[in-house]
Amino acid sequence: GDSVTQMEGPVTLSEEAFLTINCTYTATGYPSLFWYVQYPGEGLQLLLKATKADDKGSNKGFEATYRKETTSFHLEKGSVQVSDSAVYFCALINTGTASKLTFGTGTRLQVTL
Amino acid sequence: KAGVTQTPRYLIKTRGQQVTLSCSPISGHRSVSWYQQTPGQGLQFLFEYFSETQRNKGNFPGRFSGRQFSNSRSEMNVSTLELGDSALYLCASSLVGQGALGTGELFFGEGSRLTVL
Repeated sequence: GDSVTQMEGPVTLSEEAFLTINCTYTATGYPSLFWYVQYPGEGLQLLLKATKADDKGSNKGFEATYRKETTSFHLEKGSVQVSDSAVYFCALINTGTASKLTFGTGTRLQVTL
Repeated sequence: KAGVTQTPRYLIKTRGQQVTLSCSPISGHRSVSWYQQTPGQGLQFLFEYFSETQRNKGNFPGRFSGRQFSNSRSEMNVSTLELGDSALYLCASSLVGQGALGTGELFFGEGSRLTVL
């Protein structure tokens, strides 16, 4: 079945540091890929998405590129802020099969001053 | 517009009891999905309802059930609670659902945190 693997957390960075959170996936066909973010005490919200190979999703300074050859969708940000502290979830939807979002286990990011 | 509303936000039950959780989707959204979130298993898909019909179901035992009403509000029920059912239960709504017509963009509520003692 479909699956998503994320790097283990927590990730602790100083403000203005560069962020990379790795995400790889296993799926048949051509899934769409997503990053969701969960701030403390809140539900998840969509951060960005990419629906086909080589697409780049971007939002709020975060970027991720859909790499079919490496089955990856790594999340990056050039300069993190304290307000970016949250849990980040990589996810995919494969409308050809399960027709539901499959999430990774989440990566907690802690940004300090 | 108002977001996804889940009630209750917190509840404590004992083993063997049952619980009903409620979800009011964003106005106009016809699809409601439920997820269980635990530290060990992450986010696990429970089921999705669209226009009062269960359209997809995850790998959970029959103790977990749900329904959707004509106004798109949804409830999920867990019977004969076990300690392992302690989790954050998240509801998410979307305009057309997660399936072939869907975009994968879900709008989540803040969740109902269930503790089973």
